[in-house]
Amino acid sequence: GAVVSQHPSWVICKSGTSVKIECRSLDFQATTMFWYRQFPKQSLMLMATSNEGSKATYEQGVEKDKFLINHASLTLSTLTVTSAHPEDSSFYICSARVGGFYTEAFFGQGTRLTVV
Amino acid sequence: KQEVTQIPAALSVPEGENLVLNCSFTDSAIYNLQWFRQDPGKGLTSLLLIQSSQREQTSGRLNASLDKSSGRSTLYIAASQPGDSATYLCAATGNQFYFGTGTSLTVIP
Repeated sequence: GAVVSQHPSWVICKSGTSVKIECRSLDFQATTMFWYRQFPKQSLMLMATSNEGSKATYEQGVEKDKFLINHASLTLSTLTVTSAHPEDSSFYICSARVGGFYTEAFFGQGTRLTVV
Repeated sequence: KQEVTQIPAALSVPEGENLVLNCSFTDSAIYNLQWFRQDPGKGLTSLLLIQSSQREQTSGRLNASLDKSSGRSTLYIAASQPGDSATYLCAATGNQFYFGTGTSLTVIP
């Protein structure tokens, strides 16, 4: 299947700093990528939909100024957690479809963010 | 809003047993139904995708079925192995993915 690569796989940062997470589609172009957050023993919560060349669409309750999303190319989307705080510690996962709504989605390996 | 439920939340079986994981969804207007596996601390691995016009898909020891009219999908795992131990998630897809709460499977050697 197609490959979605997420980097880094884990990161520890100090409170107040910003962290950038990259999501790349390695062997296909993705006009749309999705960013999720997952709390321990819970399912995935959609944070935002990242659209190449335009602004991301954020889900209700997700702070767009806190979680900056940039979809700079058809193979790269980035999530920047700004002014991180301990409550932002979580598992973040991105995904991309190989085509339209009927096509299969592939997920990155996730990024474990710990804010100390 | 689409709601996806998975039953059971946890399942423990002896190696070699056949098992069924259940997924139900409230809105039948879906594009497809996708099953995933998630190992602890890892991302999601796609197992099977059933498009809305299909009834089932098979891959190796895995078989997934879809009944849109009743809002149900099942994942059948034959001859379970310890390596199958993981959390299994289903997702009903429309414009976005609606994930179930997952079934944590433990296969005991």
